[in-house]
Amino acid sequence: ELKVEQNPLFLSMQEGKNYTIYCNYSTTSDRLYWYRQDPGKSLESLFVLLSNGAVKQEGRLMASLDTKARLSTLHITAAVHDLSATYFCAVVATQGGSEKLVFGKGTKLTVNP
Amino acid sequence: GAGVSQSPSNKVTEKGKDVELRCDPISGHTALYWYRQSLGQGLEFLIYFQGNSAPDKSGLPSDRFSAERTGGSVSTLTIQRTQQEDSAVYLCASSLVGTPETQYFGPGTRLLVL
Repeated sequence: ELKVEQNPLFLSMQEGKNYTIYCNYSTTSDRLYWYRQDPGKSLESLFVLLSNGAVKQEGRLMASLDTKARLSTLHITAAVHDLSATYFCAVVATQGGSEKLVFGKGTKLTVNP
Repeated sequence: GAGVSQSPSNKVTEKGKDVELRCDPISGHTALYWYRQSLGQGLEFLIYFQGNSAPDKSGLPSDRFSAERTGGSVSTLTIQRTQQEDSAVYLCASSLVGTPETQYFGPGTRLLVL
């Protein structure tokens, strides 16, 4: 059974600082996603990572994937308050033609002025 | 274009009542998913529909939960004899078939069972 672990689960940081969120998963998968969720809102897709060594960047966020280590990172550069949200990684589990996303528990990020 | 829509946005019900939650996927998306997000928790897969194939119901927590998808579009998730532990946000997502396709999520239905 595919398991996805994120850490940290809670992250409080100051504006302007850098930090990394980690996502480990237990079995091989061909896709990994990062989503953002604001309070009371639904999930917004940030990145999809498909292959070993994949790196994607959008603004102050950069995601990478190491399929051999079964590890993805979401790096935050020079954080700003607007980045405050909960970030989820999710890995595709495929079985018998069916596929589903298995999510980590999320990292609640708070960026303080 | 229009995204995934869900209704109602909020539902308060009494324990033991049945509820129906509706999902309208993005037009043309053949895959549809239901997830549940309990307070402070991650998302839990419930059920997956793909075209005319038999749905993957492996995530449904009990036989009180059922879902159908009519005409390959709109889906309804039904919870019978609701229990307090069913209180959660129920999220629907849709996607095109084939890799790599992002799942696009609806706004969710917040269900509270009293």
